[in-house]
Amino acid sequence: SQQGEEDPQALSIQEGENATMNCSYKTSINNLQWYRQNSGRGLVHLILIRSNEREKHSGRLRVTLDTSKKSSSLLITASRAADTASYFCATHAGQAGTALIFGKGTTLSVSS
Amino acid sequence: DSGVTQTPKHLITATGQRVTLRCSPRSGDLSVYWYQQSLDQGLQFLIQYYNGEERAKGNILERFSAQQFPDLHSELNLSSLELGDSALYFCASSVYAGELNEQFFGPGTRLTVL
Repeated sequence: SQQGEEDPQALSIQEGENATMNCSYKTSINNLQWYRQNSGRGLVHLILIRSNEREKHSGRLRVTLDTSKKSSSLLITASRAADTASYFCATHAGQAGTALIFGKGTTLSVSS
Repeated sequence: DSGVTQTPKHLITATGQRVTLRCSPRSGDLSVYWYQQSLDQGLQFLIQYYNGEERAKGNILERFSAQQFPDLHSELNLSSLELGDSALYFCASSVYAGELNEQFFGPGTRLTVL
């Protein structure tokens, strides 16, 4: 079962625009992670935000976390065609140890 | 390149057959995870090993099994294959088994069951 649910399912923007993806989750978490997957390839870790953090930056990425609403957002600023990929939020599986539970992802398409 | 290797890249087989997928974690990583990605189910956790021992089980079918060897590489065995087992199978590794450890994913093995 999915812990995180991303919204929107798909997003199309022009190069230079900002892209915002949202993730909602169901249970309490210690941290939340975002991953990127280029078509049919392995996932790449982007950023981890702990439950006691509200915002975190990494290059053109900005992640926010609102534990009261059980939601997170990923903002990619000044998008590039190379940002075209699927983006997943992931939380830990609780009783299943440190395995990650992924949402269904947001497919981002950036056109030049 | 994440440093995690998976073989083979592609595998095409028939229903009822058995296959073995192999994963070599990043150097120094003790924890290995297996995930299955399909269009209908999304990314699902299958099983985790830590330093040779099973650590956690997810949505892994009884027809599937895995192990982690003393050199820390891992194998996922899929038997009595069904059409619905067609998917991308990913292996990931991390240094330890704690929640703050980033998981590094391999390129995946694409399994097609005909």
